[in-house]
Amino acid sequence: AQTVTQSQPEMSVQEAETVTLSCTYDTSESDYYLFWYKQPPSRQMILVIRQEAYKQQNATENRFSVNFQKAAKSFSLKISDSQLGDAAMYFCAVSGDSNYQLIWGAGTKLIIKP
Amino acid sequence: GAVVSQHPSRVICKSGTSVKIECRSLDFQATTMFWYRQFPKQSLMLMATSNEGSKATYEQGVEKDKFLINHASLTLSTLTVTSAHPEDSSFYICSAPPSRDQETQYFGPGTRLLVL
Repeated sequence: AQTVTQSQPEMSVQEAETVTLSCTYDTSESDYYLFWYKQPPSRQMILVIRQEAYKQQNATENRFSVNFQKAAKSFSLKISDSQLGDAAMYFCAVSGDSNYQLIWGAGTKLIIKP
Repeated sequence: GAVVSQHPSRVICKSGTSVKIECRSLDFQATTMFWYRQFPKQSLMLMATSNEGSKATYEQGVEKDKFLINHASLTLSTLTVTSAHPEDSSFYICSAPPSRDQETQYFGPGTRLLVL
């Protein structure tokens, strides 16, 4: 069975600083995708970044980047220059083995201190 | 990015009534749509996968007769909560992967259901 583990229920960071959210996963698939989604208080799920497992290069999207360690099955999200608008729940997910389902982590609540 | 709408955004109903929630992909076609339920401070729980032109696939423990799903077209899926009870109160979210990029899901804004 596929699993996704986010071991940090809550993280806090000072505005303008850098924070890293951790995620580990387990899958038997040889080809899969990894995602970070953000859910602000509005509860709209927003795609932050995605990584194809076959690509060695870490994905980046402006202030957001990942550290993808395939052998260790680790997929952490780094947020640089944290902004107040980054405050949200962050969910890590991996594509499932059938019908493009996503397997979700429990989420990490990110608090930004002004 | 791709846009998914959901209607209504919030609904309050009496126990025993049925509620229909619509999920639409606005600028892309989706042969598959997913329905999730999310309890406060928890992750998303997949309820079912709707497939255009065929029956939905329900996750274990989800009552198919209670949560009716119809994928009427390549841009519309509906979830009907039949004979709703207070325990059905929750946040329901749909998502859809574009047919051209089925590895990425785009989410509707969610529907908050309160059953009195």
